[in-house]
Amino acid sequence: DTAVSQTPKYLVTQMGNDKSIKCEQNLGHDTMYWYKQDSKKFLKIMFSYNNKELIINETVPNRFSPKSPDKAHLNLHINSLELGDSAVYFCASSQHGSQPQHFGDGTRLSIL
Amino acid sequence: GENVEQHPSTLSVQEGDSAVIKCTYSDSASNYFPWYKQELGKRPQLIIDIRSNVGEKKDQRIAVTLNKTAKHFSLHITETQPEDSAVYFCAASNNDMRFGAGTRLTVKP
Repeated sequence: DTAVSQTPKYLVTQMGNDKSIKCEQNLGHDTMYWYKQDSKKFLKIMFSYNNKELIINETVPNRFSPKSPDKAHLNLHINSLELGDSAVYFCASSQHGSQPQHFGDGTRLSIL
Repeated sequence: GENVEQHPSTLSVQEGDSAVIKCTYSDSASNYFPWYKQELGKRPQLIIDIRSNVGEKKDQRIAVTLNKTAKHFSLHITETQPEDSAVYFCAASNNDMRFGAGTRLTVKP
């Protein structure tokens, strides 16, 4: 019974395309996050939502647009994909900002 | 905002030895300090955490210490085993969590 599930697990696509990654959590948490992990393994926060409201928006190109239809879902849409977008994207959730974060299994995005 | 620095970036130890990973943080208001373990190809998973009202916490072979005055905290793994090999991340949060850059620990049998 997966707590934080994200789909797809792998995404291979051409430069310039638009793609979406979906995330759902069944933990009843109020806060959800998107992280980007590049080849150097650094976990960089991209966005944070609390009860469907955006609370963190780091310096991320506006080609990335998060959408939270309800507090259990936080989807990530990426327009005009670039080579530098290749990375593993992790979704996570927590009850609030100073509580443990539970991560999904990651989506490996590869841009050809 | 919070800035977390983590050292060393790589650490190699012999099985049975101890391993220590150190982190410093910049925001004195940070009150929550978790540690995550990420095995190859897997998601980060919480292994231990500590709050600012506690100086030390232990769970079997792992322990975390916190020095609020110096704004640093450390992860200690004793009697290391090959399955401890992974990337370890520290983090600090004052309702806005920031991660360190990670330490790749290799335990040689």
